[in-house]
Amino acid sequence: GAGVSQTPSNKVTEKGKYVELRCDPISGHTALYWYRQSLGQGPEFLIYFQGTGAADDSGLPNDRFFAVRPEGSVSTLKIQRTERGDSAVYLCASRLTAANTEAFFGQGTRLTVV
Amino acid sequence: AQTVTQSQPEMSVQEAETVTLSCTYDTSENNYYLFWYKQPPSRQMILVIRQEAYKQQNATENRFSVNFQKAAKSFSLKISDSQLGDTAMYFCAFPSLTGNTPLVFGKGTRLSVIA
Repeated sequence: GAGVSQTPSNKVTEKGKYVELRCDPISGHTALYWYRQSLGQGPEFLIYFQGTGAADDSGLPNDRFFAVRPEGSVSTLKIQRTERGDSAVYLCASRLTAANTEAFFGQGTRLTVV
Repeated sequence: AQTVTQSQPEMSVQEAETVTLSCTYDTSENNYYLFWYKQPPSRQMILVIRQEAYKQQNATENRFSVNFQKAAKSFSLKISDSQLGDTAMYFCAFPSLTGNTPLVFGKGTRLSVIA
């Protein structure tokens, strides 16, 4: 596609449930990033993929959060046993390479845990 | 660690006027890029302008320009002839040129352009 696509756009889930958020990066982009943006805050880094492997997952807040990118393109962010504090906008971005080319962002998934 | 600080949580400007948004950062790197991103209510982060640290000349993109002071680690964004469509959150962001570090963002400045 022409840009980074994230689905769903909005997700409401009950506390304790499992959710998956999908990111479809720009074709050919090897670097993929997940960020979490709480209300009124800047995006906070969660995890970065270079190809299929997680090059840096230091931003994942705890072991309820996990992400995969099995074929080096689409990535899924998985959250187990969701908590109300997980409510935020989850942004995905991709770059052509890990070097300083422009990062392109999707429109995010707004997750609401009730 | 690399950090980015935006000290103005909110700003407003009259339409057609000029406004400057501040950003300071901290790094031990010598070569890097700096970015300003705009985030309208649609949530889409849009690149406004980028500056290469090894270039002394300040970047300019139409009505948007930066004042880059490398020694002071300051990177402000000037918006000239402000338009209603400029209303958005603005984030200063900073990656490292070397290695695989992701973008680090400031907390943002909410800009309101008033008619």
